[in-house]
Amino acid sequence: GAGVSQSPSNKVTEKGKDVELRCDPISGHTALYWYRQSLGQGLEFLIYFQGNSAPDKSGLPSDRFSAERTGGSVSTLTIQRTQQEDSAVYLCASSFRSVAPGGEQYFGPGTRLTVT
Amino acid sequence: AQSVTQPDIHITVSEGASLELRCNYSYGATPYLFWYVQSPGQGLQLLLKYFSGDTLVQGIKGFEAEFKRSQSSFNLRKPSVHWSDAAEYFCAVGANFGNEKLTFGTGTRLTIIP
Repeated sequence: GAGVSQSPSNKVTEKGKDVELRCDPISGHTALYWYRQSLGQGLEFLIYFQGNSAPDKSGLPSDRFSAERTGGSVSTLTIQRTQQEDSAVYLCASSFRSVAPGGEQYFGPGTRLTVT
Repeated sequence: AQSVTQPDIHITVSEGASLELRCNYSYGATPYLFWYVQSPGQGLQLLLKYFSGDTLVQGIKGFEAEFKRSQSSFNLRKPSVHWSDAAEYFCAVGANFGNEKLTFGTGTRLTIIP
């Protein structure tokens, strides 16, 4: 079946502009995660959605970052007033369960964001 | 707070040689541990995971990992590497059954020489 998809695959934007990154999780997966992979910082958690529960936003680095998940499926990560330090690969993942062992996060190919 | 340390930034091994990638974790409760691989330009692929039970877990592509609670380690091993194993390897720890956010190590880049 289809895996996690992300769009665009690459995005170049000017400093100060807003960007939206999209994630389509695997059908039926109830949990969705955003991570950021940048040089020198490794992979860092940003935000996590599970069903209709309030999202875990504890990893968002500033209030310029926000995310929503519509209809329990597609998610959009928005970065306002982009800065050069926002340049990174943004990875989305989804998983089927969140209350029992055995869950596995499936990752998308990522969106490479470059802020000039 | 949970954390993961991968002390080796870059490892080079000869094709056919054995491999061990180190991972140490810090977590206050039962850890749920994972190894992921990322090939150039690709997303992360799960190699194996440990939740409970047998401390030696088998994964895909001939990899295995051993959970050692006393050493807070979850090292990844392969008896004989192939050129296609060249990639970046990430160890991760998860909370609450491993289905919530993962905390990743900084990764180990593996280079294979002929």
